[in-house]
Amino acid sequence: GDSVTQMEGPVTLSEEAFLTINCTYTATGYPSLFWYVQYPGEGLQLLLKATKADDKGSNKGFEATYRKETTSFHLEKGSVQVSDSAVYFCALYTGGFKTIFGAGTRLFVKA
Amino acid sequence: DAGVIQSPRHEVTEMGQEVTLRCKPISGHNSLFWYRQTMMRGLELLIYFNNNVPIDDSGMPEDRFSAKMPNASFSTLKIQPSEPRDSAVYFCASSRQGTGETQYFGPGTRLLVL
Repeated sequence: GDSVTQMEGPVTLSEEAFLTINCTYTATGYPSLFWYVQYPGEGLQLLLKATKADDKGSNKGFEATYRKETTSFHLEKGSVQVSDSAVYFCALYTGGFKTIFGAGTRLFVKA
Repeated sequence: DAGVIQSPRHEVTEMGQEVTLRCKPISGHNSLFWYRQTMMRGLELLIYFNNNVPIDDSGMPEDRFSAKMPNASFSTLKIQPSEPRDSAVYFCASSRQGTGETQYFGPGTRLLVL
């Protein structure tokens, strides 16, 4: 069945460091891929998405490229801030009604 | 635009009591999802509705849990009787079918069963 695997956390970085959170997927068909972010005490919210191979989603300095050949959708940011501390979820949608979420990766950014 | 609205935001109850969580999806969205989030089990999909009809309730943990969607603007998740292991954050999310299925989450209800 469809699934999403993302790197285990927590990830701890200093402010202005480079961030990569790995995400790989298994899916039949051609999924849309998402990154959601959950700030403390809040619900998940969409960070970025890509709907077809080689598309790059970007938002708030975060980027992820849909790589069909490696079935990956890694999240990157060039310079993280303390305010980026949150839990990040990779997700896929292949049609129908259900979105498959990864387990989440907690990011801590130190000042 | 108002987002997904959930109430109450916090609920503390005693074991054996009935708990009802409420959700108002975004207007125009026709899919609604209930999730549970705990440290141990992460984010779990409990049930989802499309056009007010339950499509898949295989994630509902046991018969103590039930969910309804009487109309397009309101859904409830009920736990009866509640148990301490039901303590979690419960999220409602909605989406508009045919738009790539971006889900919009509410702020959650933090439930503590003593």
